Amino acid sequence: EPEVTQTPSHQVTQMGQEVILRCVPISNHLYFYWYRQILGQKVEFLVSFYNNEISEKSEIFDDQFSVERPDGSNFTLKIRSTKLEDSAMYFCASSQQGSNEKLFFGSGTQLSVL
Amino acid sequence: EDQVTQSPEALRLQEGESSSLNCSYTVSGLRGLFWYRQDPGKGPEFLFTLYSAGEEKEKERLKATLTKKESFLHITAPKPEDSATYLCAVQFGGSQGNLIFGKGTKLSVKP
Repeated sequence: EPEVTQTPSHQVTQMGQEVILRCVPISNHLYFYWYRQILGQKVEFLVSFYNNEISEKSEIFDDQFSVERPDGSNFTLKIRSTKLEDSAMYFCASSQQGSNEKLFFGSGTQLSVL
Repeated sequence: EDQVTQSPEALRLQEGESSSLNCSYTVSGLRGLFWYRQDPGKGPEFLFTLYSAGEEKEKERLKATLTKKESFLHITAPKPEDSATYLCAVQFGGSQGNLIFGKGTKLSVKP
């Protein structure tokens, strides 16, 4: 069964450093998402991406965050200057048809900011 | 104020002991209600989508139902492998796939 793959599975960084989280969505999917889950808390929406542009973003997704689809297969989340509170599990997801459609999630990248 | 509330937070069952999980929501203009299963250290895994009140979906020992303000996930004769956190999420209005999740119900099934 096709799946969303995320790398790395764990990332440790120093506060103020830039990190890039990588995702390979399912190949025929057109809509891409990033969510995050702080330990013990809810899964929270960050951003959705379609047709090479952001279609929706949450209040969490401020100027320190950016997304990119650099080629036909990868989808990345960049955090420019990490803060302690950015420590969380980051999930990439994709769907074929967008709204009202089920999302397929990757296994996540655990980001630890020291 | 939480828009999606799940109860109970945790549920411990004996194998074979049926029960129900609840998800209530306050958003208007519901476009879909989703149930996901999440195992420790993993991403959510899709179970069901419900779109309108009265709708029901079934998969193996799980059955999801939807009313105007809440959804239930019924678990019939659970097995230890059903142990996981069950997440409810809603999509509303003009969102482009933005899901609002509840905190989840952590289910433990003992043999």
